[in-house]
Amino acid sequence: KAGVTQTPRYLIKTRGQQVTLSCSPISGHRSVSWYQQTPGQGLQFLFEYFSETQRNKGNFPGRFSGRQFSNSRSEMNVSTLELGDSALYLCASSLGTQIYGYTFGSGTRLTVV
Amino acid sequence: GDSVTQMEGPVTLSEEAFLTINCTYTATGYPSLFWYVQYPGEGLQLLLKATKADDKGSNKGFEATYRKETTSFHLEKGSVQVSDSAVYFCALHSGAGSYQLTFGKGTKLSVIP
Repeated sequence: KAGVTQTPRYLIKTRGQQVTLSCSPISGHRSVSWYQQTPGQGLQFLFEYFSETQRNKGNFPGRFSGRQFSNSRSEMNVSTLELGDSALYLCASSLGTQIYGYTFGSGTRLTVV
Repeated sequence: GDSVTQMEGPVTLSEEAFLTINCTYTATGYPSLFWYVQYPGEGLQLLLKATKADDKGSNKGFEATYRKETTSFHLEKGSVQVSDSAVYFCALHSGAGSYQLTFGKGTKLSVIP
């Protein structure tokens, strides 16, 4: 059974640019969540989608957005990149309830220069 | 709001030593509790979970018991190995309507031969 796939693994962007990250969940999982991991702030929740609907959003500026497609794949977009957006972005998929836990991908390492 | 506090690292142990990583939480309702592990350059892997009070989660020799009276979920292992060297995260999911994990800051464990 394939795991959660995130692409690309590494990305280098310039300040002011925008970036799109992709996440393919485990087959059958309808919930996809995104987290930002930095050394200073740790793991912070960005947003969660279930069946193409955003059910929850973390405390991030509007430059961070996401969407989910009918096949449950998800993308997140960051516009007008800032140096502080450099982080490991992790995607997690689940069946949709907390009881089963979440399976994480290996992440996309974004560096903004 | 929800929060997780875990002991700051780094923690350095000799092989075969006993491991305890403390974790306490604050949450509304009846949260599910998790321990995740992150190896260098990788995403998070679910180590164990407990979904109700007095449940004991266990996996690969690691154990943690959901203590509602002390709001704790301490991770223990009787004999650590070099391969256990990683960062460990305690997390909670506060239940229906939440759709997100709240993480502790992580504890880096190094096991030396």
